[in-house]
Amino acid sequence: NAGVTQTPKFRILKIGQSMTLQCTQDMNHNYMYWYRQDPGMGLKLIYYSVGAGITDKGEVPNGYNVSRSTTEDFPLRLELAAPSQTSVYFCASSYSPHSTEAFFGQGTRLTVV
Amino acid sequence: QKEVEQNSGPLSVPEGAIASLNCTYSDRGSQSFFWYRQYSGKSPELIMSIYSNGDKEDGRFTAQLNKASQYVSLLIRDSQPSDSATYLCAVPRDNYGQNFVFGPGTRLSVLP
Repeated sequence: NAGVTQTPKFRILKIGQSMTLQCTQDMNHNYMYWYRQDPGMGLKLIYYSVGAGITDKGEVPNGYNVSRSTTEDFPLRLELAAPSQTSVYFCASSYSPHSTEAFFGQGTRLTVV
Repeated sequence: QKEVEQNSGPLSVPEGAIASLNCTYSDRGSQSFFWYRQYSGKSPELIMSIYSNGDKEDGRFTAQLNKASQYVSLLIRDSQPSDSATYLCAVPRDNYGQNFVFGPGTRLSVLP
């Protein structure tokens, strides 16, 4: 059982480039999330989805976009990368965030130079 | 805006001692609470969840919830060096619990 899979694990981008962080889960969870974690800080919610076709902004959505065409996949798009987007990105999913845990992917370490 | 606060630490305890980690939250309507452990360079993993006032024990871990005072704590008994990690407190963002808000985490160091 793979759980939540993120790719890539590491990436270096130049300022102004774009990329997509991939996230796939095989637990049939409706809820999926993208968080970023800056050094020594907690997790900040970027976007979340409560099901296929439904997405909503979190605390720090600027500079990012998401889509949710299937239950399994929740890619995060960075347009015009900036140094402020240097961070570790975590994708997570849950059956019901009110009463059950969130399962996390292994993270993507992104550096924008 | 719901907030979750934790002492960032680092909290250092000797091996075999009890480590006490605290978390306060701002929304009185919060109903469920989660403790995650995150090793350096790794993703968070669930340690405990608690929904009712009082204590919940799981092995060496005990979660304590006091809704009147709006705090939740995690006790680690017989601390081991392998418990050295950052511990994150998480609370669903709203009554429908559509996503989680995390505290900044407390870094715990267990000294051999």
